[in-house]
Amino acid sequence: EVQVVESGGDLVQPGGSLRLSCAASGFIFSDHYMDWVRQAPGKGLEWVGRSTNRGTGYIKLYAASVKGRFTISRDESKNSVYLQMNSLKTEDTAAYYCISWLYGRGYWGQGTLVTVSS
Amino acid sequence: DIQMTQFPSTVSTFVGDRVTITCRASQNVGPWLAWYQQKPGKAPKVLIYKVSTLESGVPSRFSGGGSGTEFTLTISNLQPEDFATYYCQQYNDYSTFGQGTEVEIK
Repeated sequence: EVQVVESGGDLVQPGGSLRLSCAASGFIFSDHYMDWVRQAPGKGLEWVGRSTNRGTGYIKLYAASVKGRFTISRDESKNSVYLQMNSLKTEDTAAYYCISWLYGRGYWGQGTLVTVSS
Repeated sequence: DIQMTQFPSTVSTFVGDRVTITCRASQNVGPWLAWYQQKPGKAPKVLIYKVSTLESGVPSRFSGGGSGTEFTLTISNLQPEDFATYYCQQYNDYSTFGQGTEVEIK
């Protein structure tokens, strides 16, 4: 069974940093793309970024709103993907979701909440 | 970037009715289109992926169709538990979501 579990959400001050984790299981992790998506309170869904798979060289892609501030990384030994968030702004406050892509179907976690506030 | 235009933004309807939600892409997204249902405080739930493949366990009153740049989600015989917000997502080129459609009880 495919499972995706996010963790690491917290309250952080503007300008601060935070690292989110996403642990995946139930599939060959290195074979599949992993995305981060977020949803600000009362708003719609926003794609944040992606790590492609080993076959394509683990390319990292980012939304314009986070490029240069957020970094995605993977640890194949832990079947995990991470979202390092620096220079956080109040508008980064959101629930952050991790998605694993298997054969054209996205598997979502339950999300982790990030609040950026002084 | 591919833009997704979803409409209507809100639909007020009755139990038993049929509802159709449309998503229009600014470019061809091929078969890489999914639909989600979201209820307050919960993660999005996959309803349909690859345009028309029904997720396991999702009732058959949900159906997806379309191709290229225009896609639809149809809910037939609307049930009380279907009142929620629905989103489309393209995942052909990076990924983009529609703005969402709230289905509310009239």
